[in-house]
Amino acid sequence: DTEVTQTPKHLVMGMTNKKSLKCEQHMGHRAMYWYKQKAKKPPELMFVYSYEKLSINESVPSRFSPECPNSSLLNLHLHALQPEDSALYLCASSQTTGVGNTEAFFGQGTRLTVV
Amino acid sequence: ELKVEQNPLFLSMQEGKNYTIYCNYSTTSDRLYWYRQDPGKSLESLFVLLSNGAVKQEGRLMASLDTKARLSTLHITAAVHDLSATYFCAVPDFGNEKLTFGTGTRLTIIP
Repeated sequence: DTEVTQTPKHLVMGMTNKKSLKCEQHMGHRAMYWYKQKAKKPPELMFVYSYEKLSINESVPSRFSPECPNSSLLNLHLHALQPEDSALYLCASSQTTGVGNTEAFFGQGTRLTVV
Repeated sequence: ELKVEQNPLFLSMQEGKNYTIYCNYSTTSDRLYWYRQDPGKSLESLFVLLSNGAVKQEGRLMASLDTKARLSTLHITAAVHDLSATYFCAVPDFGNEKLTFGTGTRLTIIP
């Protein structure tokens, strides 16, 4: 099983809403990632979790709050978003970060629209 | 700061032709990844290149890595319509803690 599962696939939310994106993998990977991708642009890293601890935060605004409840799950909590936050949010996982890392597997993404 | 550049950014080619996409990166790395993305979809892993001189082939696609020149190529042989997509290279950064993606090459194959 080389699958990373993201839910929901599509999400429309108002600027005052609170919502969460979910990501799950059962490959035993110990590193998980959130990327944001705007239309016609490459993915940009938001957060890295390594062994369930936040290891990289790419200066992401606090309206995005990541959470890693266990080694298989990664959440992204959203609050008071702006229309410019509309994008495809991609979750990924890999065996580890650092030396020995080989390949990152990406989920299908959540298409987020903020209205 | 690691920069990863691809060229061309856009490529329109006829079926049956050959072409090469180039990926240059600015800092030392001994590995590089290629991904494919269809419109509105996620990233599909194509190749994992783990050392200098690595060459991998899958169907009509072949990727190579020259770590001394900090250059990777993705060669397309006898293109078919199904290969139309955006192709990204990605390089590990920050002690391999994360991937930095190239600018992407949008490939359109014309019948």
